[in-house]
Amino acid sequence: EVQLLESGGGLVQPGGSLRLSCAASGFTFSSYAMSWVRQAPGKGLEWVSAISGSGGSTYYADSVKGRFTISRDNSKNTLYLQMNSLRAEDTAVYYCAKKTTHPEDWYFDLWGRGTLVTVSS
Amino acid sequence: DIVMTQSPDSLAVSLGERATINCKSSQSVLYSSNNKNYLAWYQQKPGQPPKLLIYWASTRESGVPDRFSGSGSGTDFTLTISSLQAEDVAVYYCQQYYSTPQVTFGPGTKVDIK
Repeated sequence: EVQLLESGGGLVQPGGSLRLSCAASGFTFSSYAMSWVRQAPGKGLEWVSAISGSGGSTYYADSVKGRFTISRDNSKNTLYLQMNSLRAEDTAVYYCAKKTTHPEDWYFDLWGRGTLVTVSS
Repeated sequence: DIVMTQSPDSLAVSLGERATINCKSSQSVLYSSNNKNYLAWYQQKPGQPPKLLIYWASTRESGVPDRFSGSGSGTDFTLTISSLQAEDVAVYYCQQYYSTPQVTFGPGTKVDIK
C-alpha cells in the first residue's frame, strides 16, 4: 500500500527541539521530492520545507529558515524534519507530502496523516 | 510570494445542488511556454489530511468523481461541485505551484450541507 506515516510529534517547551520522521512505503521513495506542510489548529495549510529525491537540494519557508532542517535517508525510505528553537507559533499538525511525478510540478499527490507538535510551557 | 485568496470563506448548499468556490492569485500562475496554469485544488475532510482533487487548474486526479471540476486561467480560478453529496462536506484549498518549491495555499473554503 502506498502510504506515508509521520511520527515524532509531541509537547515541547519554547526554545526546545524535536525531530519528526515520515516513513514511506509502496513507492520508490528516492525518485520523489518530498515536503513538509503544517497546519496550525483551526487554520489553513502552510508549506514548510522541501527536499529533492537525492537529498542534494533543500528549501525552506522564511518562517523556519535557520531553525528547521529537512533531510532524508533513502536507504530507510524515511524523511526527517529537525526542528530547533521552537516557538509557540510552530504549534501545528505537520504533514509530510509526496511531490507528483511531473518534474516541474510541485503539487502533492500523497499525504500522511500528520503528527501534532505543541510548543508550550 | 504569491498570495492566494479564496471566496467565500464558507458556504452551505443543499444536497444535489451546485457549489462554487473561487480562488484568486496575486499574480498570474499561467506559464506561457506551455500554456498551463500551475494551480491545484485539495479537499480536506475533518480529521483527515488533504487530498488532491485537481491539478493544472482543470485536470482531475485519478479516482476523483466527475462532479468536481476546475476552471479559470491567469489569476482567477473556480472549483465547482456540480451536485453536492453528503461526503463532499469538507474544507477546500487552492494551491499555486508557479513559484516553486515555495508553494502557497489559499485560506480555505468550508462547504456544508444546507
